[in-house]
Amino acid sequence: QKEVEQNSGPLSVPEGAIASLNCTYSDRGSQSFFWYRQYSGKSPELIMSIYSNGDKEDGRFTAQLNKASQYVSLLIRDSQPSDSATYLCAVIGGYQKVTFGIGTKLQVIP
Amino acid sequence: KAGVTQTPRYLIKTRGQQVTLSCSPISGHRSVSWYQQTPGQGLQFLFEYFSETQRNKGNFPGRFSGRQFSNSRSEMNVSTLELGDSALYLCASSLNGGGTETQYFGPGTRLLVL
Repeated sequence: QKEVEQNSGPLSVPEGAIASLNCTYSDRGSQSFFWYRQYSGKSPELIMSIYSNGDKEDGRFTAQLNKASQYVSLLIRDSQPSDSATYLCAVIGGYQKVTFGIGTKLQVIP
Repeated sequence: KAGVTQTPRYLIKTRGQQVTLSCSPISGHRSVSWYQQTPGQGLQFLFEYFSETQRNKGNFPGRFSGRQFSNSRSEMNVSTLELGDSALYLCASSLNGGGTETQYFGPGTRLLVL
């Protein structure tokens, strides 16, 4: 079992729809969770961080964390073609070890 | 404020050679982390340096090494290159490292091993 799992996609959604990206992790001691966006040929950039159970909203983005289920998700409302990218889930586990998921490729269809 | 810079941006080497990659963090940032990104494995953590000391290390062979200088600039070295070392190598900097700080990534060095 991988430490951080994501469906590699591609996930295709129509413009204006909600895109739902999911991530599961295996280390129950993990405390910090991050979502990065990576455009093709570019480096990752941070979108959201979340540390406690529940939802955290920032503009069109909402991160959701459920530590009991070891699950973190990212919702993108009103998806735009410019949101088309690979979304990486990162988890900070024990000993401050950072582990990234493989990333989910999102395609927003105009 | 200038972002994270990495040199060189592209590199072609042959098997058995060694390579050194450089990373200059954002001014004031003392933590530098290195990652390898490949299509099959995704982004994998190599190591983190803070105040010239390696603070954390991923699961890579000893052929991969690094160091950090007093000005926080960091270098990564790969000896005896293998075909599987072909990847995008990213460095990321943050103020002090740790689990809650934002990491800022550089543009990466794309290494091709022939």
